Amino acid sequence: GIQVEQSPPDLILQEGANSTLRCNFSDSVNNLQWFHQNPWGQLINLFYIPSGTKQNGRLSATTVATERYSLLYISSSQTTDSGVYFCAVSRNNNAGNMLTFGGGTRLMVKP
Amino acid sequence: DTAVSQTPKYLVTQMGNDKSIKCEQNLGHDTMYWYKQDSKKFLKIMFSYNNKELIINETVPNRFSPKSPDKAHLNLHINSLELGDSAVYFCASSRQGGGGELFFGEGSRLTVL
Repeated sequence: GIQVEQSPPDLILQEGANSTLRCNFSDSVNNLQWFHQNPWGQLINLFYIPSGTKQNGRLSATTVATERYSLLYISSSQTTDSGVYFCAVSRNNNAGNMLTFGGGTRLMVKP
Repeated sequence: DTAVSQTPKYLVTQMGNDKSIKCEQNLGHDTMYWYKQDSKKFLKIMFSYNNKELIINETVPNRFSPKSPDKAHLNLHINSLELGDSAVYFCASSRQGGGGELFFGEGSRLTVL
C-alpha cells in the first residue's frame, strides 16, 4: 500500500511564528487531504488538495503530485492552531476513497 | 446541523461484551467508512462501504462488522470485546467512487476494561 510520511513529528512554536509541515507519499495519488485534530479530538478538514495550491486565511497548502509531496503553511500561528496535523492520501476506485494517513505532526503554539 | 454524527461519544464496557456504535450522515454521500485511531494517534481504515461493495481492511478481526440499514447510516458492531479494542473510532463519508473529500464524525472513544 501507499506509505505516507510527515515531518517534523513534533513542532513547538512561539505565537506569531510561521511554519511549514511536509507530507511525502510513496506512490501516485489522486486525492490528498490535510486535517487538523484539535485538542478535543475533532478532525477538522483543512484542505482537499490533490494538486496545486490553495489558501484559507492564515493557512495555505501546495501539492506537487508528480514529486509526491505536499506542504502545509501556517502563518502567524495562534495558540488555537495547536493540535495534530494529518496528511492523508488515496487512489480512488469505485468503492470509494479510502484514505491512508500519515503519522501526523504534533504542533504546540505557546503564548 | 452536524454533517456526520456518531453515538455514543464515550463507551466504557467489560471484556467479552458486544457493543455497537452508530453513525449517520446528512450530506447525501454514497460511501461511508470506519477508521480506528490508536493510543499513538495513528489513524487506520477499517471499512469502506457503499450500496454495492464492502471493502474490509484485511487486518480487521472478524469480530468487527459494519451494518448499513440505508445509505445514510453505517453502524459498527463489535463482538467479544478485547482490551486491545480500546481506541477512538471515527466514521466518515464521501461521494461514491472517483474521489470526493472525506468528512469525519467527532469520534467515539471506546474503553474496554
